[in-house]
Amino acid sequence: GENVEQHPSTLSVQEGDSAVIKCTYSDSASNYFPWYKQELGKRPQLIIDIRSNVGEKKDQRIAVTLNKTAKHFSLHITETQPEDSAVYFCAASKGSNYKLTFGKGTLLTVNP
Amino acid sequence: EADIYQTPRYLVIGTGKKITLECSQTMGHDKMYWYQQDPGMELHLIHYSYGVNSTEKGDLSSESTVSRIRTEHFPLTLESARPSHTSQYLCASSLPGQGNEQFFGPGTRLTVL
Repeated sequence: GENVEQHPSTLSVQEGDSAVIKCTYSDSASNYFPWYKQELGKRPQLIIDIRSNVGEKKDQRIAVTLNKTAKHFSLHITETQPEDSAVYFCAASKGSNYKLTFGKGTLLTVNP
Repeated sequence: EADIYQTPRYLVIGTGKKITLECSQTMGHDKMYWYQQDPGMELHLIHYSYGVNSTEKGDLSSESTVSRIRTEHFPLTLESARPSHTSQYLCASSLPGQGNEQFFGPGTRLTVL
């Protein structure tokens, strides 16, 4: 089955800096790659996703890039703010008839 | 309002009790999931369902069982709770069609004494 590895497990940045979280996947048939943000005590929420037919997607300060050849995708957060502090999970799926396989998560701390 | 609901939000019980964690969604989603998660840690899929009368075990072995008699309802049952079951349980559902965006419920934090 699919295996998703996520790095780093913890990341600490200064407010205003950029943060990058990387994930690799094993199944070349995977075609859907979402990122979830989970704030302390809250439920995971989708923040951005990308499908295999595009290489990059942006939404304000967050962006996701996908390299299908290398089977890895990354989350980029620019101009980080304290409210970006949370656990971020990447995931991969082969489509709507398949379950999501999650990475182990990255605890991002943005220091004011 | 279309959402996914879980009850109870917090539960403290003694060892050996039978419990049922409720999950309901009003979004008309076919697919539903149960995850076990220790705070801030990895999400472990324990059960999922792709529709009424369909249930599958997830990646993490669990002593719990699930049922899917109605589309909107996906309860999880522990016949005899143990301290090792102490964790947070998150229910999720996903849209039909392309992709697999999942919407999570608020979770049930279970403590077994």
